[in-house]
Amino acid sequence: EPEVTQTPSHQVTQMGQEVILRCVPISNHLYFYWYRQILGQKVEFLVSFYNNEISEKSEIFDDQFSVERPDGSNFTLKIRSTKLEDSAMYFCATGRDSQETQYFGPGTRLLVL
Amino acid sequence: AQTVTQSQPEMSVQEAETVTLSCTYDTSENNYYLFWYKQPPSRQMILVIRQEAYKQQNATENRFSVNFQKAAKSFSLKISDSQLGDTAMYFCAFMKPNSGNTPLVFGKGTRLSVIA
Repeated sequence: EPEVTQTPSHQVTQMGQEVILRCVPISNHLYFYWYRQILGQKVEFLVSFYNNEISEKSEIFDDQFSVERPDGSNFTLKIRSTKLEDSAMYFCATGRDSQETQYFGPGTRLLVL
Repeated sequence: AQTVTQSQPEMSVQEAETVTLSCTYDTSENNYYLFWYKQPPSRQMILVIRQEAYKQQNATENRFSVNFQKAAKSFSLKISDSQLGDTAMYFCAFMKPNSGNTPLVFGKGTRLSVIA
């Protein structure tokens, strides 16, 4: 069964550094999302992406964040200058269309020191 | 804005017994989708079940079923014959249909422990 994959599974970085989180969607999926979950809290929406542009973003998704699909397969989330409060689990999710179920990847656990 | 409320932070159930997890939501939409996701200790988010609001019939998926009460805006999850592998966080989620990408709105989750 096709799965969403994410790399790396874990990343530790110093405050102020840039990180790039990668996601490989299920092959026929066209709708992409990033969510994050701070430890012990609920899952929060960051951004959605379709047809090479952002569809919707939350107030969490400020100028420090960006997304792109550079090569038609990977879907990336970049955090330009990480802050301590960016420490969280970051989930990529993809869907075949906007009405369809979103399937989640295994997540990237980011720790900012 | 839509909100999702899970009023039970933690629950436990004996193996082989049945447990019901509660979820309520607030929306002015008439058509929407509701989901239950499971998050085991590995922290992966796994889809358990999905319900379309226009369908009156409650969704079922093997041992998992829902009680969808649209007028009451309630969407509870029933797990029958609970197994140790059902131990996880369970998140209720709401999605409003839209022409574009629509994010999921999650509740805070219920931590379920299945006891041998």
